Amino acid sequence: NAGVTQTPKFRVLKTGQSMTLLCAQDMNHEYMYWYRQDPGMGLRLIHYSVGEGTTAKGEVPDGYNVSRLKKQNFLLGLESAAPSQTSVYFCAHSQGTEAFFGQGTRLTVV
Amino acid sequence: DQQVKQNSPSLSVQEGRISILNCDYTNSMFDYFLWYKKYPAEGPTFLISISSIKDKNEDGRFTVFLNKSAKHLSLHIVPSQPGDSAVYFCAASVQGAQKLVFGQGTRLTINP
Repeated sequence: NAGVTQTPKFRVLKTGQSMTLLCAQDMNHEYMYWYRQDPGMGLRLIHYSVGEGTTAKGEVPDGYNVSRLKKQNFLLGLESAAPSQTSVYFCAHSQGTEAFFGQGTRLTVV
Repeated sequence: DQQVKQNSPSLSVQEGRISILNCDYTNSMFDYFLWYKKYPAEGPTFLISISSIKDKNEDGRFTVFLNKSAKHLSLHIVPSQPGDSAVYFCAASVQGAQKLVFGQGTRLTINP
């Protein structure tokens, strides 16, 4: 599992509902990321963290918040889900020469 | 503005032949490039990388070529095998594997 676990793996939300996606890594890496994958768009960076207690915006941060209270965990929150947030979400971590990705969370907002 | 582009959404190659996947980038600050492979319902897995100080890197059947003046990189797979059928993403970054910027992906199909 590339040292990273994402929960949940699937979720269906109604518009306006909130949820939190959890990412946990066991490789003690400093850098962690949340990406979303949409057809024809590749993977786009939502938010990232360069260490415990830090977060920063990526390419498509609107509608999402993140927290990194512990080094091994990176949480992605949706406060009020919208249909445009229907996507597959990938968490990743890195320290140097490659990034390791989780298996993804498929989120559908209806 | 797409900083990393893979202009071929799909590619079909016969088993045993060479597969060549291409990627272009616009940001001259990128100095590290990676290729990832993705199967359905799985996360991307790292294949091979290259630093901007090199123009070629090999790992078994996989070779990545970098042409900095043209801002172009390519992945060669020789010989292609059925298990290579997947979506391939190129990615670029500044200073190592941090904040990767991905292309749109190319779906490679290896035909028997």
